[in-house]
This record gives sequence, C-alpha cells and structure tokens, in this order.
Amino acid sequence: AQKITQTQPGMFVQEKEAVTLDCTYDTSDQSYGLFWYKQPSSGEMIFLIYQGSYDEQNATEGRYSLNFQKARKSANLVISASQLGDSAMYFCAMRELNYGGSQGNLIFGKGTKLSVKP
Amino acid sequence: DAGVTQSPTHLIKTRGQHVTLRCSPISGHKSVSWYQQVLGQGPQFIFQYYEKEERGRGNFPDRFSARQFPNYSSELNVNALLLGDSALYLCASSQEAGVNQPQHFGDGTRLSIL
Repeated sequence: AQKITQTQPGMFVQEKEAVTLDCTYDTSDQSYGLFWYKQPSSGEMIFLIYQGSYDEQNATEGRYSLNFQKARKSANLVISASQLGDSAMYFCAMRELNYGGSQGNLIFGKGTKLSVKP
Repeated sequence: DAGVTQSPTHLIKTRGQHVTLRCSPISGHKSVSWYQQVLGQGPQFIFQYYEKEERGRGNFPDRFSARQFPNYSSELNVNALLLGDSALYLCASSQEAGVNQPQHFGDGTRLSIL
C-alpha cells in the first residue's frame, strides 16, 4: 500500500484564488512528520511547510497552510492568493521514526502539478 | 549562507561505467540523505548518513554506495551503470536526523545513461 497518496495529478487555479492540494498518508507510527515541497521545472526541491503528528494547531507559513486531520490521515496544502510563480509540482512527504532502518527519511507521494492561470 | 550544493549539475555516462556524485550540506547540518527521482515520480530514498555513519538505506542494489566525510560532505557512487539509473539525484541535509527536521535539498545532479 502506498504510504503517501496524492490523488490530483494536475490542478488549475486562477491567479489570486486559493487552491487546496490533497494528501493522505498511511502509518502505524505515533510519531511522524508531514512535509510539503515545491519543485519548479528547474528541479530544485523547496521546503514549504511542516506538521508534526503531535501538533494540535495547523501549520502556517505565509501563504501556505496545512489542513491536518489526524483521524482521517490527511494533510492537505492550502495556498492562498495564488501567484503565477506558484506553478510547479508539489510533493507531500512523510517522515516516520523508523522507516528504512533510519531515523526517519522522507517518503514522497507522486506529486500534483499546479498551473496558475493569469 | 550557502544552501546544499551538488556537483556536477549534469552528467552523461554510458552503460557499465561508474559515477561519483558530490554534495556539500548547509553549514552546521550533520545529516545528509540521497534520493533518486525518476522522471514523473517523487524522489525515492537511497541513503542517509549522520555523523559519518550510515543510518539508513533504501531499496537499491549494492551497485549504489555512499560515504560521508569529516566535514559532513558526502559522495554517492554508482557502479555498473544501467539505463534505468538515468534520473535526477538529489542530496538533502538537515541539522539532525529526527522526524521533525525538514530536509533542505540541493538542485540535484541530472544523470543520463546512454
């Protein structure tokens, strides 16, 4: 079973509008971290936002917020006031305490390609 | 402060050859991880090093190896290259190795196998 599921291969949003990118995860660990990364066409992975499994408040970073619903195992990214520069691939990732025998490495979803229309 | 730096940015090799990719973490970061990203997919974890010791290995064959140096920089080596090794190789660093540590990525090395 996939650990990270992103069901939207591609999304379109009008400039200045808000958009939600979906992410569900699967883990039996109590301690884990959820991350969102942005990857423009140039290839670099840019860290956007982090949510810990024990955090009770939803994480926010500027125009990015994470809608964390622990019981549903979902961690959706909300981008407010979309800008043309937001067009990119967006990856949801999870870090478990003991994945792969390591102290937590990132497990990525397949990504969502966001296109912002002027 | 400089981010994670990787070299080279692009590389073309032929099947059967060997390749070495290099990574310098953000200053002060002790953990380095390597990922392989095939076109159209999310990155897949290859190795993690922390304080010069291997702390984790993903599901990759023994042709893949890595090491971390005393200055925390790292090398990824791939022997007997196959066409399927063509990918973007990403290096990421974090201060520590815990679940709440965001990993910061370099721009990657794009490896093409002919």
